[in-house]
Amino acid sequence: QQQLQESGPRLVKPSETLSLTCSVSGASISGQEYFWGWIRQPPGKGFEWMGSFYYDGTTYYKPSLQSRVSISAEAAKNQFSLRLTSVTAADTAVYYCAKHAGAAAGHPLDLWGQGVLVTVSS
Amino acid sequence: QSVVTQSPSVSGAPGEKVTISCSGQISNIGDNYVDWYQQLPGTAPKLLIYSDTQRSSGVPDRFSASKSDTSASLAISGLRSEDEGDYYCATWDHSLSGLYVFGTGTKVTVL
Repeated sequence: QQQLQESGPRLVKPSETLSLTCSVSGASISGQEYFWGWIRQPPGKGFEWMGSFYYDGTTYYKPSLQSRVSISAEAAKNQFSLRLTSVTAADTAVYYCAKHAGAAAGHPLDLWGQGVLVTVSS
Repeated sequence: QSVVTQSPSVSGAPGEKVTISCSGQISNIGDNYVDWYQQLPGTAPKLLIYSDTQRSSGVPDRFSASKSDTSASLAISGLRSEDEGDYYCATWDHSLSGLYVFGTGTKVTVL
């Protein structure tokens, strides 16, 4: 059974870096089958796709976040991570990791983690 | 703000049919498949429909979707109380360097 689980600090100070990890079970992030991504949802608002990556290093980021966001993989642990620098209160959101249904970032997101609320506050 | 827009809310009585609209551009809906996600209160989203019209495994046939040009729609027939929640369309947008874009979301209320 495939599962995703987000982990990381729930509180981040303004101007600091938000770091989250997604632990994957039941599928390999090193395989050629899927893209993997991060999506966030500010409280009471809609979803914002942040970026997705493939095992070969191919990465897509939302253009408006590109200067602040990076996604990386730790294949040995079957985990991938999100880093968002210079955070502000506007980055307060529930952060989800997800799996695309195939080997393209345009494929639908068919498996999601439960999400983790990260609050940016001093 | 998203370049893919949805009607903010729809409502219907149990058993009725409601339709959610999703409007975009050639660079997104016009040239790419549309997916639909359901988010019930307090839960993570679930893929409902993919590739414009295909239901995900386990999704009842009360849910159906279509697409024409730069617009798409999701219909829920035989509305049930457990359908109450938020629904989002989403698609790839090949403008700029490419991005996956979500619609603005539609709240479905069962009266």
